[in-house]
Parts: sequence; structure tokens; C-alpha cells
Amino acid sequence: KAGVTQTPRYLIKTRGQQVTLSCSPISGHRSVSWYQQTPGQGLQFLFEYFSETQRNKGNFPGRFSGRQFSNSRSEMNVSTLELGDSALYLCASSPIAGAVYEQYFGPGTRLTVT
Amino acid sequence: AQSVTQLDSQVPVFEEAPVELRCNYSSSVSVYLFWYVQYPNQGLQLLLKYLSGSTLVKGINGFEAEFNKSQTSFHLRKPSVHISDTAEYFCAVSERGSQGNLIFGKGTKLSVKP
Repeated sequence: KAGVTQTPRYLIKTRGQQVTLSCSPISGHRSVSWYQQTPGQGLQFLFEYFSETQRNKGNFPGRFSGRQFSNSRSEMNVSTLELGDSALYLCASSPIAGAVYEQYFGPGTRLTVT
Repeated sequence: AQSVTQLDSQVPVFEEAPVELRCNYSSSVSVYLFWYVQYPNQGLQLLLKYLSGSTLVKGINGFEAEFNKSQTSFHLRKPSVHISDTAEYFCAVSERGSQGNLIFGKGTKLSVKP
């Protein structure tokens, strides 16, 4: 079975731009969660999508948004990029909503904001 | 609110020596506990997890961890480390019955020297 895939793996954007990251879950998994990893704040939960609905959200500003498609693939969008948004963005998939005990992470997308 | 403290940010150790990476958590309810490993420029790989039952949990690559409810700890151990164990290790917690996202510690960088 293929693992969680994330595209692109690396991205460089300019402050003020917007960016969209993509995550394809493991086949059969219907839940996708997103995490941000920075040297200062560590790993922080962004949101979880299940059946095309956001079911859980972390403490991030509204500039961070996401969606999920009917095939369970998910995208996250960051608008009006700030330097502090530079981070590794990880997505994780699980078979059902909230199943952290059966969650698998992708390789991440490294976003650099200049 | 739940939180995770990894007591050592860096742990240097010689090859074939034993190692213990310490993790304490704070939660008022029952929890699931996890240890993840992250190699440079990669995502998170699950080493082991405690869901219920035996408090001694064995994982991949020869690692094990012991859940101690009274001390709210979940320390990771390996009796003999290899150069290839050099990586960053993250402890994470999720409360049972919660929305199901992971709360991570700040990480411990394990450096194995020849």
C-alpha cells in the first residue's frame, strides 16, 4: 500500500502571497489531519478533515484554511503569507475521524517564505 | 489542558550504549501515548504507542517505553544504540474521547557518536 504523499515537497514563496499544499492519504483512509512544525513552536495541530468536513481545528488564524475532496485528498491554503509561516507542513491520514492510534504521516512540505 | 514535556532537548551518547529519552505528560483523563522519530528532511515515523493494557510497550528498531500512570511518564529506552538511531524523537499524547488530535513535546535530538 502506498503511504501518505504530499506535494510539493519544497516551496519558496514571497511574503504576502498565498500557497496551496496537497495531501493524498493512504488508500481507504478518510481522515486527513494537518500539522505545522517550526523550530520555535514545535509541532502544532492545524485541522482535521473527515468526509469533506472540518471536524477539529487548532489555534491558528483564519489565514490557514483547508478542504477535502470526495476522494479524501486534502489541500491546505495559507493566504497573505508571513515570514513566520515558514515551516514544515505535515499531513497525516487515518481510517476514520479522530483515530490518532492509527495515524500515518507523510514526508511533509517544506515552505520557505522570503 | 493536556501538555507534554520532553525533559532533554539533546542527548549525546556513544554507540552501543543504552539510552533513555524522558517524557512527562499532563492530563486529567486517560490518554493514548506515542513516540515518533524524525530523520532529517523526513516526516514522522511511529516508533511505538500505548493504548491500554501492558504498561511496557515494545516498538520498532529495538525501542521500548514504559507507561507510568502515577508519575505521568512515558520514557523511551533502547539498551544499545546504533549510529543510525541519530534523529529527533517526539513524544505525543492524545486524550481518550477527545476530538483526536496529537499534542507533541518539543522533541529530543539523539546524537549517537562512534
